[in-house]
Amino acid sequence: AAGVIQSPRHLIKEKRETATLKCYPIPRHDTVYWYQQGPGQDPQFLISFYEKMQSDKGSIPDRFSAQQFSDYHSELNMSSLELGDSALYFCASSFQDEKLFFGSGTQLSVL
Amino acid sequence: QKEVEQNSGPLSVPEGAIASLNCTYSDRGSQSFFWYRQYSGKSPELIMSIYSNGDKEDGRFTAQLNKASQYVSLLIRDSQPSDSATYLCAVNMLITGNQFYFGTGTSLTVIP
Repeated sequence: AAGVIQSPRHLIKEKRETATLKCYPIPRHDTVYWYQQGPGQDPQFLISFYEKMQSDKGSIPDRFSAQQFSDYHSELNMSSLELGDSALYFCASSFQDEKLFFGSGTQLSVL
Repeated sequence: QKEVEQNSGPLSVPEGAIASLNCTYSDRGSQSFFWYRQYSGKSPELIMSIYSNGDKEDGRFTAQLNKASQYVSLLIRDSQPSDSATYLCAVNMLITGNQFYFGTGTSLTVIP
């Protein structure tokens, strides 16, 4: 069965650079979520999209933005990167707010 | 107070024993509850979902839900070393517009 696909798996950036993370949800899933998980912490909700429209916003910094495109893939854009942005970033998708299925994540390291 | 609370552990059980993981949540109106297993550096993997009061069994896993007490638990019978992971409780809270909130996770170690 198709799963949530994220790219890249690993990303190394320097402070003040920009990063773009991509997510392809499970086909026919109508909602995409972005989570940030620091070491030893629970996933923190950043933002979600329902049918390509932003539906909820969590603890997403103003330096970050996201969108969902017509083909349902989503991108998380992160600018002016800080050391504290180093984390695992997960994308998840669901159908009608049911179970969340996670992608493999992108490990972002800011040096 | 966090929306979803779990004992962080670590919890250690011998192989073959029952592991019991607990979770409480703040939104009385929540309807959907999930348990995820996460290995270090990997993504959370859904292992159980439960929506109504009582027990739900799936193989060696049993989820228990008590909405009156705002409590959900996960029992793992015949624990195996491969069950060693962090277990995340997640609640879909309607009060916040269908956001999924996670607990901080309970680290489980099954000792051979």
